[in-house]
Amino acid sequence: QSALTQPASVSGSPGQSITISCTGTSSDVGRYDYVSWFQQYPGKAPKLMIYDVAYRPSGVSHRFSGSKSGNTASLTISGLQAEDEADYYCSSYTRSSTYVFGTGTKVTVL
Amino acid sequence: QVTLKESGPVLVKPTETLTLTCAVSGFSLSNVGMGVSWIRQPPGKALEWLAQIFSNDERSYSTSLKSRLTISKDTSKSQVVLTMTNMDPVDTATYYCARYAVATDGFDIWGQGTMVIVSS
Repeated sequence: QSALTQPASVSGSPGQSITISCTGTSSDVGRYDYVSWFQQYPGKAPKLMIYDVAYRPSGVSHRFSGSKSGNTASLTISGLQAEDEADYYCSSYTRSSTYVFGTGTKVTVL
Repeated sequence: QVTLKESGPVLVKPTETLTLTCAVSGFSLSNVGMGVSWIRQPPGKALEWLAQIFSNDERSYSTSLKSRLTISKDTSKSQVVLTMTNMDPVDTATYYCARYAVATDGFDIWGQGTMVIVSS
């Protein structure tokens, strides 16, 4: 199972919106609406930000939103803030009844 | 409050077997719709899913590592154990356990992680 493809880095200025893509295949992202997004600060455990493509767990800012089209899922961060600077990973359930993570994206706030 | 905490050796030698324990609290491993996964992250690299066990004892493993992994749980002790055989330096990573909840179809609570170094 190959990792889902994410851009290595995305940057934006405070207040701007950025979008991170997560490209899989018809056996994972394209097959199920079980895509999650995680935020990870250096040296810390990942935190669930989005589940089931577009749902936010309680306590996660409304500035984070998710979507999916075909084999590609996306995470959008609106009103970018300094605290959003972190690594972001997507994950998906697969046809093999396993899970696969993305390659990870480093978000930089300029 | 739901918490998970990983424990295990920091250093293992090549070819040895690694045994990691995930102690959970705030929920029961017998709760319907709950599971625990193991996920690892080599230094500076991406997350990699390893294995999962559900409340009904259903298990699933990474396709590429299946032959080396065994996941089990002791509900009475609130523990999930992962064993990985034939350790190699490329297995050096931080190993996380995370709760899987059907309600979120995702890994909603993570442990702090435990670093494992494979070296002779």
